[in-house]
Amino acid sequence: GIQVEQSPPDLILQEGANSTLRCNFSDSVNNLQWFHQNPWGQLINLFYIPSGTKQNGRLSATTVATERYSLLYISSSQTTDSGVYFCAVERGTSYGKLTFGQGTILTVHP
Amino acid sequence: KAGVTQTPRYLIKTRGQQVTLSCSPISGHRSVSWYQQTPGQGLQFLFEYFSETQRNKGNFPGRFSGRQFSNSRSEMNVSTLELGDSALYLCASSPGTGYGKLFFGSGTQLSVL
Repeated sequence: GIQVEQSPPDLILQEGANSTLRCNFSDSVNNLQWFHQNPWGQLINLFYIPSGTKQNGRLSATTVATERYSLLYISSSQTTDSGVYFCAVERGTSYGKLTFGQGTILTVHP
Repeated sequence: KAGVTQTPRYLIKTRGQQVTLSCSPISGHRSVSWYQQTPGQGLQFLFEYFSETQRNKGNFPGRFSGRQFSNSRSEMNVSTLELGDSALYLCASSPGTGYGKLFFGSGTQLSVL
């Protein structure tokens, strides 16, 4: 099956810093999504981005499908950005079947 | 619109018992998928239902089963519970036609003693 690798595994920042999270995938995909898992376990959908660039406030994401990677940018980080960020992909006719990376644990200190 | 609702939020069971978890998708969504999250294995796909039919299934033993009702609500069942079934079980909903965003519920935390 498809492999999804995220880096770095852990990231510690001071409030106000910027960061870039990376997601590499081993095969072509039809769907790529970024999620933030909050301390209560809920997965919040940040972006649906199979290709191109999108921005939402302090967050933006870019997927270069031909090179099989995606980047999530967090600018001016806040303590509420802490949590685990997951990249997940979907391919073929596997609707609803996301393959997740292992996640990046982000800790933002005040 | 109300989000994805999962019940119960927490469950404690003993080995050998069975358990049923419930998921109500966002209104109008016809696809419900289920995931298991553990510290060791991460997030793993269990199965996906669309219009009461299972379209995709992950690599889990037959003890894990699910179904979807005509109102798109879904249940998953785990029979003969094992200690290793302790996990956060998450369900997600989407419109189901083509690719798009998946919206997750808050999950059910299952502990097997």
